[in-house]
Amino acid sequence: EIVLTQSPATLSLSPGERATLSCRASQSVSNYLAWYQQKPGQAPRLLIYDASNRATGIPARFSGRGSGTDFTLTISSLEPEDFAVYYCQQRFNWPPLTFGGGTKVEIK
Amino acid sequence: EVQLVESGGGLVQPGGSLRLSCAASGFIFSSYWMSWVRQAPGKGLEWVANIKEDGGEKHYLDSVKGRFTISRDNARNSLYLQMNSLRAEDSAVYYCASGTTPYSRYNWFDPWGRGTLVTVSS
Repeated sequence: EIVLTQSPATLSLSPGERATLSCRASQSVSNYLAWYQQKPGQAPRLLIYDASNRATGIPARFSGRGSGTDFTLTISSLEPEDFAVYYCQQRFNWPPLTFGGGTKVEIK
Repeated sequence: EVQLVESGGGLVQPGGSLRLSCAASGFIFSSYWMSWVRQAPGKGLEWVANIKEDGGEKHYLDSVKGRFTISRDNARNSLYLQMNSLRAEDSAVYYCASGTTPYSRYNWFDPWGRGTLVTVSS
């Protein structure tokens, strides 16, 4: 099973600041990694797939990069609606499909 | 509009059974792998099971193998999860989610339903 470790667990930032979230895989997942955003009481939403491709309708301030075992999600300038929990997920080797533990981006 | 709507959650005693349903609309349901993903209260996301577009291939999380059964009815645009021998640790919001690429097992999850809450407690 591929384990995904996200860091930090919580990121405290102000609107307008840059957010950098990390996801590390226990073994290479090539570029088969996605990022999801989840707001309280809502279902997750796909943000980034194949490590660096934005899903339909996702603003350009969200970007992803990485390959192999180390991945980053960057939000270039935080908007009020971006404060949420973010999860990474791999589909390189399954079952099981696995998610990281999440990073909460909270208002400082 | 693409939509997934789950139903069937509720309170059940340990050892009991529950059947979840997911009604799909706005896309060609019969062309996509479908999944169930759960989230325990205050916890992260956990994939539970998925099923090929024609129902001919199914995969499960180890901890639910032999207890949960995923199925689909393409004529009704519906996905199901039969959950037997339920345990307290199965308590979670259960989401159904579609794959992103038709006729492909290599998928991401998009879209998702709003989820249905399952509580296993005496």
